[in-house]
Amino acid sequence: GEDVEQSLFLSVREGDSSVINCTYTDSSSTYLYWYKQEPGAGLQLLTYIFSNMDMKQDQRLTVLLNKKDKHLSLRIADTQTGDSAIYFCAECVNRDDKIIFGKGTRLHILP
Amino acid sequence: DSGVTQTPKHLITATGQRVTLRCSPRSGDLSVYWYQQSLDQGLQFLIQYYNGEERAKGNILERFSAQQFPDLHSELNLSSLELGDSALYFCASSPAGGLYNEQFFGPGTRLTVL
Repeated sequence: GEDVEQSLFLSVREGDSSVINCTYTDSSSTYLYWYKQEPGAGLQLLTYIFSNMDMKQDQRLTVLLNKKDKHLSLRIADTQTGDSAIYFCAECVNRDDKIIFGKGTRLHILP
Repeated sequence: DSGVTQTPKHLITATGQRVTLRCSPRSGDLSVYWYQQSLDQGLQFLIQYYNGEERAKGNILERFSAQQFPDLHSELNLSSLELGDSALYFCASSPAGGLYNEQFFGPGTRLTVL
């Protein structure tokens, strides 16, 4: 079946790196995504990675994909208060263009 | 601003009632998706329409239905409402044949069933 799992909460000190982890089940996934949801707003695509890539870096964001273990992570370097949000991992199940979202990880920034 | 609009922003109604949520996708986007977000269930995919036709179905209850009109706006109809239907309902749109299938989310409609 299709399922995306991620831990529900993460607390990080301002200036440290945040690492949010996710596991997925569908090996036919083509794209994997990280979406960010700020309070009172809809989800916004942060970054994505194609399934034949191992790593993608975009400024403070680093995405790592371990396809063998079906494990995806998002690293945010130098975490700022503005990074406080819920982060959703998602996979695109190519055979029917469906995107399956995890339940989201709430990132809390400590001063 | 994603370009996706949803109305109303808030809706308060009673159990047993029926409501309609409306979504206008980004200009040019042919696909519309509906999601339900609640504290206990997280973000649940309900249904997808593509150019007026149902494309994919998720965890949508039989009491719920949706449609996409010729002008590509979409409506989600929720009937025989129960307390547990209280949630944030998001609409998202994506372009046809998008390279990586990014979805653009609206601000959501918060439904409260009393």
